[in-house]
Amino acid sequence: AQTVTQSQPEMSVQEAETVTLSCTYDTSESNYYLFWYKQPPSRQMILVIRQEAYKQQNATENRFSVNFQKAAKSFSLKISDSQLGDTAMYFCAFMSLLSGGYNKLIFGAGTRLAVHP
Amino acid sequence: NAGVMQNPRHLVRRRGQEARLRCSPMKGHSHVYWYRQLPEEGLKFMVYLQKENIIDESGMPKERFSAEFPKEGPSILRIQQVVRGDSAAYFCASSPELGETQYFGPGTRLLVL
Repeated sequence: AQTVTQSQPEMSVQEAETVTLSCTYDTSESNYYLFWYKQPPSRQMILVIRQEAYKQQNATENRFSVNFQKAAKSFSLKISDSQLGDTAMYFCAFMSLLSGGYNKLIFGAGTRLAVHP
Repeated sequence: NAGVMQNPRHLVRRRGQEARLRCSPMKGHSHVYWYRQLPEEGLKFMVYLQKENIIDESGMPKERFSAEFPKEGPSILRIQQVVRGDSAAYFCASSPELGETQYFGPGTRLLVL
């Protein structure tokens, strides 16, 4: 069974600085998707970024980028120019593309990020 | 295009009562997933449905929990005879096709007294 591990329960960063959140996963599959979701204090789950395992190029979305290391099964999220609104829980998630997996998401335990002025 | 809708946003029940949680997927999305988030934990998969069919319920507790996604109307997650341990946030997500990104609703916070 797949597992997702986020080893940093809490992180903090100063406004305008850069922070990296870690995620590792375990799978025997070669084709899958990885996601980062953000959960602000409102508790809404918001998609931050998606990475397809077959793509070597790291995904980027504005200030958010990932470092995807397939062989190491590592998927870290880098937030540049941190803003107060980035304060949230961040969840890493794995999606199997096997037909029997039905694409259910497997989440890590989350990293609580605090951005300070 | 409205996002995934869930209601109610907050639900309070006494032990032994029934809880009914509703989810309307995004327009054009026929795949619905339910997840549960216990306090201070990540989300855990419960069930995956397509219209009128339960496809994967491997994450659902065997007793008291059921889900449906009728031909017309929202998907319903039903919890009978609730207990305090059912207190959690229940999230619904939808996607247009298998293998596509899932978009989440705002969640229903269930509190069992």
